[in-house]
Amino acid sequence: QVQLQQWGAGLLKPSETLSLICAVYGGSFSGQYWSWIRQPPGKGLEWIGEVNHRRITTYNSSLKSRVTMSVDTSKNQFSLKLSSVTAADTAVYFCAKGGNTVFDPWGQGTLVTVSS
Amino acid sequence: DIQMTQSPSTLSASVGDRVTITCRASQSISGWLAWYQQKPGKAPKLLISKASSLERGVPSRFSGSGSGTEFTLTISCLQPDDFATYYCQQYSIYPRTFGQGTKVEIK
Repeated sequence: QVQLQQWGAGLLKPSETLSLICAVYGGSFSGQYWSWIRQPPGKGLEWIGEVNHRRITTYNSSLKSRVTMSVDTSKNQFSLKLSSVTAADTAVYFCAKGGNTVFDPWGQGTLVTVSS
Repeated sequence: DIQMTQSPSTLSASVGDRVTITCRASQSISGWLAWYQQKPGKAPKLLISKASSLERGVPSRFSGSGSGTEFTLTISCLQPDDFATYYCQQYSIYPRTFGQGTKVEIK
């Protein structure tokens, strides 16, 4: 059974780069799509983008200019970088298996706060 | 982008009630729709895929229906564990988009 565990810095200053990693345990890493989704406090869910084991990425156009996703197949990990963050990027960030299809399962979530 | 609109935004109900949540897509997504349940401080949990396919381990009181642009999630007999926020999500077209959520609260 696939489980996802994520980590990264939780407090950033404006203009810094958000960096999160998600590790995949159990199941197959290859042949899968891996996504990042965020949720501002008290608000709904926004899909950020996906990456697959071949390093092919698809990003939401709303964030495309600032997003980079990558995979490390040797560690069964994938990552998210979001540059030039502002207060509007304050959210809980989730990693999840899927994107080409449904999101399941999800990581536990990481609250990232952007504040000067 | 495909806009997903859920109604109602909040639903007050009692244990044992039958509740229905509606999700409308701004264009046809065929049956490529999922439903998730989210509790405070937790990640969403997948309940239903392909509009009506119940995920393994999800109680049979949950059901989904619809195709094209209109979908429903029904909870046949609301249980205390079901008080949560529910989201629909389309996976027909990129970018993947979610409804704004429906909070099911205790009446």
